[in-house]
Amino acid sequence: EAGVTQFPSHSVIEKGQTVTLRCDPISGHDNLYWYRRVMGKEIKFLLHFVKESKQDESGMPNNRFLAERTGGTYSTLKVQPAELEDSGVYFCASSQDPPHIQYFGAGTRLSVL
Amino acid sequence: KQEVTQIPAALSVPEGENLVLNCSFTDSAIYNLQWFRQDPGKGLTSLLLIQSSQREQTSGRLNASLDKSSGRSTLYIAASQPGDSATYLCAVSSSYKLIFGSGTRLLVRP
Repeated sequence: EAGVTQFPSHSVIEKGQTVTLRCDPISGHDNLYWYRRVMGKEIKFLLHFVKESKQDESGMPNNRFLAERTGGTYSTLKVQPAELEDSGVYFCASSQDPPHIQYFGAGTRLSVL
Repeated sequence: KQEVTQIPAALSVPEGENLVLNCSFTDSAIYNLQWFRQDPGKGLTSLLLIQSSQREQTSGRLNASLDKSSGRSTLYIAASQPGDSATYLCAVSSSYKLIFGSGTRLLVRP
């Protein structure tokens, strides 16, 4: 069984550009989460989907970040326009219901120059 | 506001030693606690999950304990090996989201 897959593994963009990160959860997992770690800090929660619905987006930093989950399958996280402080590693995780083990992807390392 | 602290931040031990990693949290109202390991440049691998009603979980050479009332968890690694070298993260959940500590960086020397 495939694990959580994230694309790309690394993205380097210039300030002001747009970047879209993608996450494919484990098949059958209704819960999908985005987290990020910025330099020197702990991993922080961004948001949580149940199927295609956003359940909790309290961790989204600002309105430059937009997450979607088409048809309750894969999810995208778009940053537009990117700023220097958005650099970090963005992790996606998925789990079954009720709160179960969260399985993490390898992450996308975003570098904004 | 839940805060998770991990001590020590880094640890270096010779191969074969038994060791304990510590995790503390400020709010005892949690659903579960999860221990992860992260290898450089890789994602997080779940090691053990302890539900709030449980006291401990074991997997191979790993044993995790939970004392909810005191806000503490420990991860015990028996007979450490160089392959155990990684960053170990503790995370608590009081809803669906995980709140992470900053991790303990472990180096097991051959």
